[in-house]
Amino acid sequence: DQQVKQNSPSLSVQEGRISILNCDYTNSMFDYFLWYKKYPAEGPTFLISISSIKDKNEDGRFTVFLNKSAKHLSLHIVPSQPGDSAVYFCAASGTSYGKLTFGQGTILTVHP
Amino acid sequence: EAQVTQNPRYLITVTGKKLTVTCSQNMNHEYMSWYRQDPGLGLRQIYYSMNVEVTDKGDVPEGYKVSRKEKRNFPLILESPSPNQTSLYFCASSPSALRLNEQFFGPGTRLTVL
Repeated sequence: DQQVKQNSPSLSVQEGRISILNCDYTNSMFDYFLWYKKYPAEGPTFLISISSIKDKNEDGRFTVFLNKSAKHLSLHIVPSQPGDSAVYFCAASGTSYGKLTFGQGTILTVHP
Repeated sequence: EAQVTQNPRYLITVTGKKLTVTCSQNMNHEYMSWYRQDPGLGLRQIYYSMNVEVTDKGDVPEGYKVSRKEKRNFPLILESPSPNQTSLYFCASSPSALRLNEQFFGPGTRLTVL
């Protein structure tokens, strides 16, 4: 039972354009969401997060949007750069502090 | 340098031969966690630890054991490995379970069970 789903295994965009990565969740007890970025042969690194009390959080080129009623979040990268090419994972946590549930990941490729 | 180290980085073993993957952090973090990454399944949490002597199951704890006797170390033990435990394993730590946005991952251990 996949409680966090990233339904797009891959996404390809042109440099300078917007990248939109999507994530859906089923557990209404999740109240904190994170995005991680992973390059090959490295561990994931934290990118941006959002609490359920907000619907948007922005950090430079990265913005995360949360739609609680739809149980959906998205990561926007504007403008996309070739160095953004990586696997992106969304993750969620709830009342069980420390328990973290990840999605399957989306491979983003940004073409020069 | 702040880091999470895992050993070994690569391991090929056979079914049923007990093994331990070590994880150590030098940041005095309270929270540590183990994940496995598999194609099409993403990352899945195996076990986590809020502090010394406190461990909890993640989403896929079956077939694994952990211990947290010291703050800096969080070894992952496979008592009787099976081929379905072939995976890429990551250890991670953060200052606390309430600061998962500061979670720092190790470089990974690629395990193959024949």
